[in-house]
Amino acid sequence: SQQGEEDPQALSIQEGENATMNCSYKTSINNLQWYRQNSGRGLVHLILIRSNEREKHSGRLRVTLDTSKKSSSLLITASRAADTASYFCATWPYNTNAGKSTFGDGTTLTVKP
Amino acid sequence: GAGVSQSPRYKVAKRGQDVALRCDPISGHVSLFWYQQALGQGPEFLTYFQNEAQLDKSGLPSDRFFAERPEGSVSTLKIQRTQQEDSAVYLCASSLEAATTDTQYFGPGTRLTVL
Repeated sequence: SQQGEEDPQALSIQEGENATMNCSYKTSINNLQWYRQNSGRGLVHLILIRSNEREKHSGRLRVTLDTSKKSSSLLITASRAADTASYFCATWPYNTNAGKSTFGDGTTLTVKP
Repeated sequence: GAGVSQSPRYKVAKRGQDVALRCDPISGHVSLFWYQQALGQGPEFLTYFQNEAQLDKSGLPSDRFFAERPEGSVSTLKIQRTQQEDSAVYLCASSLEAATTDTQYFGPGTRLTVL
């Protein structure tokens, strides 16, 4: 089963509104990454947050990490129609030399113009 | 510079056929990953290379799946005797560092349909 689970599964908002997506995971992690995937395309890396960080910003993106609750949130402010995509969190387990990151099933965001 | 490229972009195979999917990572990237993505789901890890060494193949679903990266650059994912459940998008990603926690750059994927 997937380690990461995004919530909600689908989100529909108006342009200009903020969008918040959540990710929960099960085991201790080294870092957590958020990716965006437009329909029929590969994934695009958005932001990486390490286990010793609590918050990170990149442009209109804000990511928080709560390791005690094993959860992360991605906030997109002032959303645009171009933000319409699926958003995935991926976790890297702590203390592993293997390559296995684990992705959730994603949140599908629709931003209406 | 050029990103990760994959070929073919689309592949239709009859059940029982063998297929080979190619990945050209970003030049100089040490790490290469293969993922399988079913419709409506997130990518699932298949295998990981560090240069030419396959360090983790724990995600390969069966012995019909085989991956190689003989010269530490281009990689091929081969699926023998394809089954309908193999239908999915196969994504390749590369990262600059050997560490498995580096940012991954993804290719556009190969959509495999097994009839």
